Amino acid sequence: DTGVSQNPRHKITKRGQNVTFRCDPISEHNRLYWYRQTLGQGPEFLTYFQNEAQLEKSRLLSDRFSAERPKGSFSTLEIQRTEQGDSAMYLCASSLWTGKGDTQYFGPGTRLTVL
Amino acid sequence: AQSVTQLGSHVSVSEGALVLLRCNYSSSVPPYLFWYVQYPNQGLQLLLKYTSAATLVKGINGFEAEFKKSETSFHLTKPSAHMSDAAEYFCAVSGNSGGGADGLTFGKGTHLIIQP
Repeated sequence: DTGVSQNPRHKITKRGQNVTFRCDPISEHNRLYWYRQTLGQGPEFLTYFQNEAQLEKSRLLSDRFSAERPKGSFSTLEIQRTEQGDSAMYLCASSLWTGKGDTQYFGPGTRLTVL
Repeated sequence: AQSVTQLGSHVSVSEGALVLLRCNYSSSVPPYLFWYVQYPNQGLQLLLKYTSAATLVKGINGFEAEFKKSETSFHLTKPSAHMSDAAEYFCAVSGNSGGGADGLTFGKGTHLIIQP
């Protein structure tokens, strides 16, 4: 049973650079979520997809952030013109939505450090 | 709007003692409630979830939680702490009862310390 995988696990970049993260969900899960977690805080919801459709975006998702799930399988999260405040753990989760009460399974996260 | 409050950012118990981690929630719709555990530099692992069936929910690793609507609480307990329980614990609420926002809202977490 393969869980949610995320790549890379760590990313160090300089302020102003663009970065892209990838998430591979559990196969056959139709929902995919992105969260951001800063030090000492709980994860904060960013956005989610049902199949290839992006159904909701948090106000935390500024216009520098974009997420895609083109074929309803893996997803990418891109941050353009990174800022030091973007430094955080970016978590991906997937679930099988059947109408109510889906359980989200999390990946190991990608830790971003912006210098 | 939903919110979660976890009382106590750090809880310290002796090995073998009772573990009690507190969680209170607010939700405008009947909630789904979750407890997750996070070990250092890892993602979140589901411990248990409440979905309006039994109010006492049993999870993995000997943990359980009781949903109390009148107190808007979902506290996590374990009768006897083990050193391997040392981790960060997050309570979360989802309002996905068929529509609306479906992302989880998390509390700030409680760091559980186990004293030998």
